[in-house]
Amino acid sequence: DTAVSQTPKYLVTQMGNDKSIKCEQNLGHDTMYWYKQDSKKFLKIMFSYNNKELIINETVPNRFSPKSPDKAHLNLHINSLELGDSAVYFCASGTGRGAPHQETQYFGPGTRLLVL
Amino acid sequence: GNSVTQMEGPVTLSEEAFLTINCTYTATGYPSLFWYVQYPGEGLQLLLKATKADDKGSNKGFEATYRKETTSFHLEKGSVQVSDSAVYFCALSDRAAGNKLTFGGGTRVLVKP
Repeated sequence: DTAVSQTPKYLVTQMGNDKSIKCEQNLGHDTMYWYKQDSKKFLKIMFSYNNKELIINETVPNRFSPKSPDKAHLNLHINSLELGDSAVYFCASGTGRGAPHQETQYFGPGTRLLVL
Repeated sequence: GNSVTQMEGPVTLSEEAFLTINCTYTATGYPSLFWYVQYPGEGLQLLLKATKADDKGSNKGFEATYRKETTSFHLEKGSVQVSDSAVYFCALSDRAAGNKLTFGGGTRVLVKP
């Protein structure tokens, strides 16, 4: 069983389009995250949710809107895609309980987005 | 703000060679420190972690010791294998900064037979 899954794995689209990436975790975790990895492998957090509530919102353009229908799912919707949005997007989850700054995060396989 | 600096790669080694990847950090609070590994085409997975000063994290022959005095968390392995070829990320998480993971830039390691 895949612990953290993302769909689609690859996404090629034109500038200006709107697209969504879905993430699901079956670990029973309370916290989920979205990260962006650029072409130089630099990884940066975008958002985190705890029990469907937004906790972290880094300085991400408001074209990016996360949605958490339940604590096992955190989807990422991107409006008006731009060339600079091309990257690998990783979903992750963590227990969110106890000492969250010590927790292990579990990552999905990534979604490779290419905007043409 | 928090930051993590790790040596740039790529690091190319022969099998059974000794590997060291340097990592230093800046944090506002008292962070936990992590090494994550990303194998080709996959997501990141935790390699090891340490949550307080002088703790040593270890896994799969890799080790790293939390050195508060030098703000470092260097990763070492005594004898690498071809299967260790991957990108390694040093990271920290700090309660004072909202518990988010802050990553270094990653170090690509290539082990040749």
